[in-house]
Amino acid sequence: TQLLEQSPQFLSIQEGENLTVYCNSSSVFSSLQWYRQEPGEGPVLLVTVVTGGEVKKLKRLTFQFGDARKDSSLHITAAQPGDTGLYLCAGHSGGYNKLIFGAGTRLAVHP
Amino acid sequence: GAVVSQHPSWVICKSGTSVKIECRSLDFQATTMFWYRQFPKQSLMLMATSNEGSKATYEQGVEKDKFLINHASLTLSTLTVTSAHPEDSSFYICSAYAPGQGEQYFGPGTRLTVT
Repeated sequence: TQLLEQSPQFLSIQEGENLTVYCNSSSVFSSLQWYRQEPGEGPVLLVTVVTGGEVKKLKRLTFQFGDARKDSSLHITAAQPGDTGLYLCAGHSGGYNKLIFGAGTRLAVHP
Repeated sequence: GAVVSQHPSWVICKSGTSVKIECRSLDFQATTMFWYRQFPKQSLMLMATSNEGSKATYEQGVEKDKFLINHASLTLSTLTVTSAHPEDSSFYICSAYAPGQGEQYFGPGTRLTVT
């Protein structure tokens, strides 16, 4: 069974601080995705990483896929209150298009 | 972009009744749709995979007779919670796989409360 472990589970920081969220597995994934979910809404896709070692940037968010395609990280620079939400990593499980989700990281950014 | 809708967005029902939730892909055809359940402050748990024109594939521990899934067309999948009980109260989210883009797009979710 493929599992994705996310850490930390909770993060409470002040506006302007930097943070990193980790997503780790013992399994190789063909791709990993990061989502952000706000209360009462469905997850919204932020990025998909496919190639080992790949780095993608989305404004203040930097996503990295591990060389072995078993782990990924999300780094947020100068966090803002609008970044508050649940961040989820998810891995594609083979060719069946199933997504395996991590437990999520709940981020709170205080002004 | 690909848009997925769900209806209703929230529903309250009495214990023992059945509730149907619809998931539609609005601007693309989805051969595969997925149903997830999310309890408060937890992540999404995949319940089943719905393929158009065939029986759904359920994850381990999910009762197929309780959670009936029908994928009658390339743009519509339905989840029926039969004989609902308070422990079925949850946030149900669907997603649709867009083959051309290789991505899953999520609906806004349906909040089910069973009293």
